[in-house]
Amino acid sequence: GENVEQHPSTLSVQEGDSAVIKCTYSDSASNYFPWYKQELGKRPQLIIDIRSNVGEKKDQRIAVTLNKTAKHFSLHITETQPEDSAVYFCAAPRPSGSARQLTFGSGTQLTVLP
Amino acid sequence: NAGVTQTPKFRILKIGQSMTLQCTQDMNHNYMYWYRQDPGMGLKLIYYSVGAGITDKGEVPNGYNVSRSTTEDFPLRLELAAPSQTSVYFCASSYISGGDTEAFFGQGTRLTVV
Repeated sequence: GENVEQHPSTLSVQEGDSAVIKCTYSDSASNYFPWYKQELGKRPQLIIDIRSNVGEKKDQRIAVTLNKTAKHFSLHITETQPEDSAVYFCAAPRPSGSARQLTFGSGTQLTVLP
Repeated sequence: NAGVTQTPKFRILKIGQSMTLQCTQDMNHNYMYWYRQDPGMGLKLIYYSVGAGITDKGEVPNGYNVSRSTTEDFPLRLELAAPSQTSVYFCASSYISGGDTEAFFGQGTRLTVV
């Protein structure tokens, strides 16, 4: 099955700096890579995703890059703001019974210091 | 649309007790899921369903049961609660397979077994 490793587990940055979170996956057949943000006490919510036919995707201050050869993908947040403080999860699909399901990384606690 | 709604939000159970976590969605999604989230860990898939009448095991199904009698509802049953089931439980749904598209999460149920 799919194994997703996420690093770092915690990350502190100064407001305005950039933050990078990296994930590796094991199944070379994986082709969909979402990132979820979970604020304290709240539900996970999708912030960006990428499919294997592109190498990079941007949405304002957030970008995701994918390296299929090395089997890793990264979340980049530029000009960080205090409201970016949250836990971020990467995920990759794995075959499971009758449909593919997501395997999640263990999460990165991002703290943006004012 | 309310999205994915879970009840209750909090519950304390004694060892050996039983309970049902309720989940309903109003987005007409075929796929529904139950995850558990332990502190400092990612989301682990317990059970999922690809449509009414169809359920399948995820990564950590032991100690749980599910049913899917309608498209909207996907309750999770704990028959004999154990301390190891202390966790936050999230229900989620997606229009197509969760390995290919965004999953929408409920607000979570925090369960403590004492």
